[in-house]
Formats: sequence, structure tokens, C-alpha cells
Amino acid sequence: EIVLTQSPGTLSLSPGERATLSCRASQSVSSSYLAWYQQKPGQAPRLLIYGASSRATGIPDRFSASGSGTDFTLTISRLEPEDFAVYYCQQYGSSLGTFGQGTKVEIK
Amino acid sequence: EVRLVQSGAEVRKPGESLKISCKGSGYSFTTYWIGWVRQMPGKGLEWMGIIYPGDSDTRYSPSFQGQVTISADKSISTAYLQWSSLRASDTAIYYCARRDGVVSGADYWGQGTLVTVYS
Repeated sequence: EIVLTQSPGTLSLSPGERATLSCRASQSVSSSYLAWYQQKPGQAPRLLIYGASSRATGIPDRFSASGSGTDFTLTISRLEPEDFAVYYCQQYGSSLGTFGQGTKVEIK
Repeated sequence: EVRLVQSGAEVRKPGESLKISCKGSGYSFTTYWIGWVRQMPGKGLEWMGIIYPGDSDTRYSPSFQGQVTISADKSISTAYLQWSSLRASDTAIYYCARRDGVVSGADYWGQGTLVTVYS
């Protein structure tokens, strides 16, 4: 099973700042089969990114992502108030897929 | 508009059975996979299994194989997750989510069903 490790566990930032989230895999993720999700309290996750770098429908362009192999990054260029949430990466190239443990982006 | 609407919260005792549902609308239910994801209190996300309603092909994550049963009734565009004997450790929110394929992220999610198991 591919284990995904996200860092940091918590990111404390102010609105307008840049957020950089990391997701590291225990082995190479096939064909960049990696997604990022956002989850707010009391809500279901929302797909942000698929294929390591493609934005899902309706996702603002302040969200971008990159990476391949074992190292992936999600960047939020300028944090808006609605972006404070927990972010999960997920690989879907092996078995049914596994999630990272999440990074919480909180207001500083 | 694609929608996945899940059944409401449930409270059960250990040892009881339960079946929760997820109804899809706004798309061709038989041509997308539906997966189930567990989120235990204050914890992260775990894929439990997926089903292709078109032919009922079902895959389970090893951790959940034999613990739950996933099924679908394509005539009413509904997928199900069921337990034959609940444990307190099954207390969690369960989400259904649509996937384009086995090798795919999940693009639409249900609102979640809270299952509470206590004696």
C-alpha cells in the first residue's frame, strides 16, 4: 500500500498569504495519479486537483499543483477567507487509492 | 446537475445490522463508479470500496473486505453500504463519491451519513 505523508500538519497563515502544502508518497505514484481535496468542517470533501496538476471544474486559478513520482505540492497563491480548511492528497494509481492524513490551513 | 443524496443519520446498538444509501441523479448512474469513504471522528479519509452499477463489479479495500457489503440497484440509481453486525468502532461519517473509473479521483460527493453505534 502506498502511504502518503502530508506536511506540515497545520499551516497558520493570514488571508492574502501564499500557502504551500506538501504530499510525499512512500513509493512512486503511477502516471501522476494524484488528487487534492478540500474539506471544511461539517462538509464533504471537494475535488480541487486531479492528475497531479489539473484543476477540477469550477476551481479558482489561485489553486495550483505540481509534482511527480513521490513528491507533490499544492499551492494557494493568495488565501481567501473561504480557503481555510483541511486539505487531503490522494493517490489513485494503486489499489483503490489512499489518502494522506491531511494538512489544516488555519487563520493566523 | 450531478447530485449524490445520502440517507439520514443512524443510531444503532452493537451487533445490529444497517444499510445506508446513496442516490445519484443528473448523470448516467450506470457508467460511473460509486465509492464509499469512511471518516472516523476527528480523523482522515479511507476508501472502503467501489462499485460499478452497470454490472455490479465491486472492489473492496483489504481493510474492509468481509466487514461490509457494497451493492447497487441501477433501476433506482442507488448504491448501498451495509453491515451485518455493527461494532462501536464503526461509528463514523460515511460518504459516497462518484469516480470516473477505478483509476480516478472522486469528483462528486454525497453529504455524508453519520452512523453512531453505542450500547
